[in-house]
This record gives sequence, structure tokens and C-alpha cells, in this order.
Amino acid sequence: EAGVAQSPRYKIIEKRQSVAFWCNPISGHATLYWYQQILGQGPKLLIQFQNNGVVDDSQLPKDRFSAERLKGVDSTLKIQPAKLEDSAVYLCASSLGRGWDQPQHFGDGTRLSIL
Amino acid sequence: AQRVTQPEKLLSVFKGAPVELKCNYSYSGSPELFWYVQYSRQRLQLLLRHISRESIKGFTADLNKGETSFHLKKPFAQEEDSAMYYCSLGGGSYIPTFGRGTSLIVHP
Repeated sequence: EAGVAQSPRYKIIEKRQSVAFWCNPISGHATLYWYQQILGQGPKLLIQFQNNGVVDDSQLPKDRFSAERLKGVDSTLKIQPAKLEDSAVYLCASSLGRGWDQPQHFGDGTRLSIL
Repeated sequence: AQRVTQPEKLLSVFKGAPVELKCNYSYSGSPELFWYVQYSRQRLQLLLRHISRESIKGFTADLNKGETSFHLKKPFAQEEDSAMYYCSLGGGSYIPTFGRGTSLIVHP
């Protein structure tokens, strides 16, 4: 099966600019996750979708981050405006269902550098 | 709040030596625990999950609810085991939580 696809792989922007990331999950996977992974730390969940509805976004900095999954398939994550502390790898993952015993399948991630 | 602790940032062993990567969790409900692995230049992938009680690539992990631990073990390390290992907790109404990861280096 084709894996989780993410683009771009790398992005360099200046602070206060905006940036968007795209994710296409594995076909048939209803649950989609966006994580932020800062250097030296584990992935931190930003938002979780079940089909096109938000399951949890309690850790999403909503003043600058937004995400959508309009048709319940692919998803975009946006940062506007970016801050220096947003430098991180942004990971997208998907799972077949929402059950907590469901393993997650990860994309390669987007490495974001803020200058 | 739920938490996953991986106390070792780096674990260095020689080929053939036993390996134990520690993971402790804090969670009030019934936990679902996973180990994920990231090899060099590859994406993060599932290694094993406690509910399956299986051995993958010679690795096993036992859930100890009394000690709130889910340590990953392998009796004889191989060079190809060198990677970053993440312990993850998910359960009930809580959000998936990852530890900071342990870098395992297996020397020839």
C-alpha cells in the first residue's frame, strides 16, 4: 500500500511569514494526525481528525495554527504568522480507525526552519 | 495528565549484548502502549504494541501495570538495531503521547 505522503520535505521561511503543509493519508484511513516534533523531543500531537471532523485540537496554538480536512481525505496545516519557536519537523500520521489500539502510520515529515 | 518518560537519551552497547530501553508512563485509565522506531533516513514506524504480545525483530515488551512500565528488550543486539526508539501511550479519551526517544547505538 502507498504510505502517508507529505509535502514539502523542507521549508525555510522568515519569521512572521506564513507556511502550509500538505498530507495525504493511506487510502481508507479515517483518522489523521498532525504532530510537531522539536529537535530532541518526541512528537507532540497538534490536531487529530476523524474523517473531516476534529477529534482533538487542545494542543494546537489556534492564534497562529490552523488545519483542515475538508473532504475527509487529505489535510493541510497552516502557520500564520510563523515564530522562531515553530522551527520543527511536522509529521502527519494516519490510522485505520480511532481506537487507541490502532497503530499509526507516519509520513516523512516536513522540516521547517524559521529565520 | 498522561505522561511518557524515557529516561535514557542515548544507549550504547556492543553487538551481542542484551538491550533494555526503559519506558515509564503515567495514566489513570487502561493504557494502550506502543514502541515506534525510526531508522536512519527512514520514517517513524510501529515496532510493536502491548496488546499484540508479539516479538518483532527479536524485541519484546511487557506491560507492568504495577510499575507503570513498558520496557523494550532484546537479548542479543544487532548492528541493524541502531535507531531512535519512541515509547507511545494512547488510551481512552486521552491524546496520543510520545516519550522524548532513546537513541540506540550498537557497536560492532
